[in-house]
Amino acid sequence: SAVISQKPSRDICQRGTSLTIQCQVDSQVTMMFWYRQQPGQSLTLIATANQGSEATYESGFVIDKFPISRPNLTFSTLTVSNMSPEDSSIYLCSGRGQGRYNEQFFGPGTRLTVL
Amino acid sequence: GQNIDQPTEMTATEGAIVQINCTYQTSGFNGLFWYQQHAGEAPTFLSYNVLDGLEEKGRFSSFLSRSKGYSYLLLKELQMKDSASYLCAVIHDYKLSFGAGTTVTVRA
Repeated sequence: SAVISQKPSRDICQRGTSLTIQCQVDSQVTMMFWYRQQPGQSLTLIATANQGSEATYESGFVIDKFPISRPNLTFSTLTVSNMSPEDSSIYLCSGRGQGRYNEQFFGPGTRLTVL
Repeated sequence: GQNIDQPTEMTATEGAIVQINCTYQTSGFNGLFWYQQHAGEAPTFLSYNVLDGLEEKGRFSSFLSRSKGYSYLLLKELQMKDSASYLCAVIHDYKLSFGAGTTVTVRA
């Protein structure tokens, strides 16, 4: 199984600033994703991180607000731009492996609080 | 749109069995996952079904009926540490979409 690390694990930010979250996978994965989990809710897919090209965003999420990079197979970043209190959430990086069941694993998450 | 439904909460006694149902309507189907998530932690993989039938893995089993758009997760010999949220998730196209999760509380 893939091991996924994220940093920072948590942060408290001021309104209007931006935060970049880093995600590192310990082995090659076929796909990488970014999810958001708001308090008491389930996971919502933000976008698919594509290696060397623009990410594919889900409805309700745009590149200007959530720019994503994936320069190689095992690393990706998500930036939360021009933050507001509504962006307070847990952001999770996820990777789909090459195992028998195409298992999808999750990083430990970044807990973001925007004041 | 995608629709994945599961009960919000379930309570059971230590040592008992609990069955968490999940129904789905998605644009395409390439498999169904069950995850366990403890409070403040990331989801951890429990099971994956792509063909109809039962997959057993220790105390946890998962069942799938593609024709009915239905799955269940069966937790046997419940332990206190099984108190967590259980998430049903469906792969459609290449994306994984989640249900709202079922919070299971195990009581002594």
